[in-house]
Amino acid sequence: EVQLVESGGGLVQPGRSMKLSCAASGFTFSDYYMAWVRQAPKKGLEWVASISYEGSSTYYGDSVKGRFTISRDNAKSTLYLQMNSLRSEDTATYYCARHGGNSPHWFAYWGQGTLVTVSS
Amino acid sequence: DIQMTQSPSFLSASVGERVTLSCKASQNINKYLDWYQQKLGEAPKLLIYNTNNLHTGIPSRFSGSGSGTDYTLTISSLQPEDVATYFCLQRNSWPLTFGSGTKLEIK
Repeated sequence: EVQLVESGGGLVQPGRSMKLSCAASGFTFSDYYMAWVRQAPKKGLEWVASISYEGSSTYYGDSVKGRFTISRDNAKSTLYLQMNSLRSEDTATYYCARHGGNSPHWFAYWGQGTLVTVSS
Repeated sequence: DIQMTQSPSFLSASVGERVTLSCKASQNINKYLDWYQQKLGEAPKLLIYNTNNLHTGIPSRFSGSGSGTDYTLTISSLQPEDVATYFCLQRNSWPLTFGSGTKLEIK
């Protein structure tokens, strides 16, 4: 059974940094593109970033480019999101998602999300 | 960036009714269009990928169609468990972009 479990969320002050993790199991992690998608309270979904299966290619949404970094450790089956210079508008539930294969296909599986609140 | 416009924003329909949700792209997305269902308090779930392919385990009352810039999700016979918000996603080009969602309720 595919499982994606996010961790690392919480309350952080504006301008500070936070790192999210996503532990994957139930599939061969190194075979799949992975992604982060976020959802601000009572708002829609926003794609944040994706990373290729071997980690050599990364893609970012306009609102986080230059501040967030997606990475992965295939030996640990773990996806990361390093978030720097956080702003109040980054407040959201962050979902880890698995693309459909070794290309940026559809988001076949999602974690339950971790809430990040940026506030002083 | 490709803009995705969903309509209507809110829809109320009766059990058993045929329901159609729309998603329009600002440019041709070559059928790289997925539909996701999100129930209250839950993570999104994939329904349909690449316009018209039903994801594993999704009931056959859900179907998708479209091409170019215009896409549709159809529920052939609305069930109470279909109450949710539905989002479309284009994967034709980076950045990936979601529509703003259609909230579906039972009348």
